[in-house]
Amino acid sequence: SQQGEEDPQALSIQEGENATMNCSYKTSINNLQWYRQNSGRGLVHLILIRSNEREKHSGRLRVTLDTSKKSSSLLITASRAADTASYFCATDHTGGFKTIFGAGTRLFVKA
Amino acid sequence: DVKVTQSSRYLVKRTGEKVFLECVQDMDHENMFWYRQDPGLGLRLIYFSYDVKMKEKGDIPEGYSVSREKKERFSLILESASTNQTSMYLCASSSQGGPYNEQFFGPGTRLTVL
Repeated sequence: SQQGEEDPQALSIQEGENATMNCSYKTSINNLQWYRQNSGRGLVHLILIRSNEREKHSGRLRVTLDTSKKSSSLLITASRAADTASYFCATDHTGGFKTIFGAGTRLFVKA
Repeated sequence: DVKVTQSSRYLVKRTGEKVFLECVQDMDHENMFWYRQDPGLGLRLIYFSYDVKMKEKGDIPEGYSVSREKKERFSLILESASTNQTSMYLCASSSQGGPYNEQFFGPGTRLTVL
């Protein structure tokens, strides 16, 4: 399967701490995206990083991509209770025609 | 803001019923997608469409069909609902340039088949 795999499956932290989630994939990609899903809702796009980029920032989000290791990480700094959600990586693979989503990391930020 | 709407947030149907899930987007997007989401399995693509009247099978099309008669509307049809189709169904759309763009998701329909 080309499906991305997030790690950890679940993460519980205190408000103010940083949260790091990882994503691994199996075949070459064109780009990698991160999405957030609040409980029982649709997904919201957070950030996209292309295969020729190594790091990207958006507000409190920092995404890194290591194509040699076929992995990406999402760092949320100074987390807030409102960051409690599930986070998914999604990959667009070379020669493919669809986006493949992982199973997600459930983040719980305690106030 | 892009808006993707789905006809129902919650739906309860009986085994064997024909079920229609409707999705409408207001951003003139060419691409539209139907996914189902199950715990531990992430999102799995059922069908997608790149244009009106055009459809392509995703990873799990069995038991489903789709219809795209107008650009803004993409319908998912369960011809004869079964209990293993109980799931969260998510519709998404994206602009042309291939599927390698941000997808905008609807709020989801949680379908229960009894």
